[in-house]
Amino acid sequence: DQQVKQNSPSLSVQEGRISILNCDYTNSMFDYFLWYKKYPAEGPTFLISISSIKDKNEDGRFTVFLNKSAKHLSLHIVPSQPGDSAVYFCAARARGGGATNKLIFGTGTLLAVQP
Amino acid sequence: DAGVTQSPTHLIKTRGQQVTLRCSPKSGHDTVSWYQQALGQGPQFIFQYYEEEERQRGNFPDRFSGHQFPNYSSELNVNALLLGDSALYLCASSLSGGPTSYEQYFGPGTRLTVT
Repeated sequence: DQQVKQNSPSLSVQEGRISILNCDYTNSMFDYFLWYKKYPAEGPTFLISISSIKDKNEDGRFTVFLNKSAKHLSLHIVPSQPGDSAVYFCAARARGGGATNKLIFGTGTLLAVQP
Repeated sequence: DAGVTQSPTHLIKTRGQQVTLRCSPKSGHDTVSWYQQALGQGPQFIFQYYEEEERQRGNFPDRFSGHQFPNYSSELNVNALLLGDSALYLCASSLSGGPTSYEQYFGPGTRLTVT
């Protein structure tokens, strides 16, 4: 049961253009969504998050959009740079009992930014 | 500001053996979560520790156990290793109860190979 889905295994974009990474989810109880970037041989690096009560959050070149009715979120990177080439994971927080929480991840999208 | 650290970086074990992985959380964090990342997949939640107790657990067998120490560092133990336990094991830390408690910061991971 894949609650968070990233249906595009890979994406190739030209330097300077916009990169759009997509993510779908099934559980309407998720309250926060996060994007992580992962380089080979490193752990995931937190990029940006969005609360389920918002529809947009922006941080520099990165913007995340949330469409709750469609259970869909996307990460926009503008302009894309070669250093952005990495695997991008979408994650959602599922609250447990008390203050505990776990993240449920998608399978990732490999972004390649061509110079 | 010290980030999340993990040791060892790589480990090779034989089926049936036991392994212990270690994690030190980011400075100021009090909660540690462990994830398993198989090749081509997103990280899967194993369990979370807070106040030296296991607070939430994912769909992993009892062969997976852990511990949190008073200084918030944590260990992951896996008994009776199977070939399928070969994966990247990631530790993530967070600050419980704060406004950004949903943000988890990851270490570089321990690559476990079971032969």
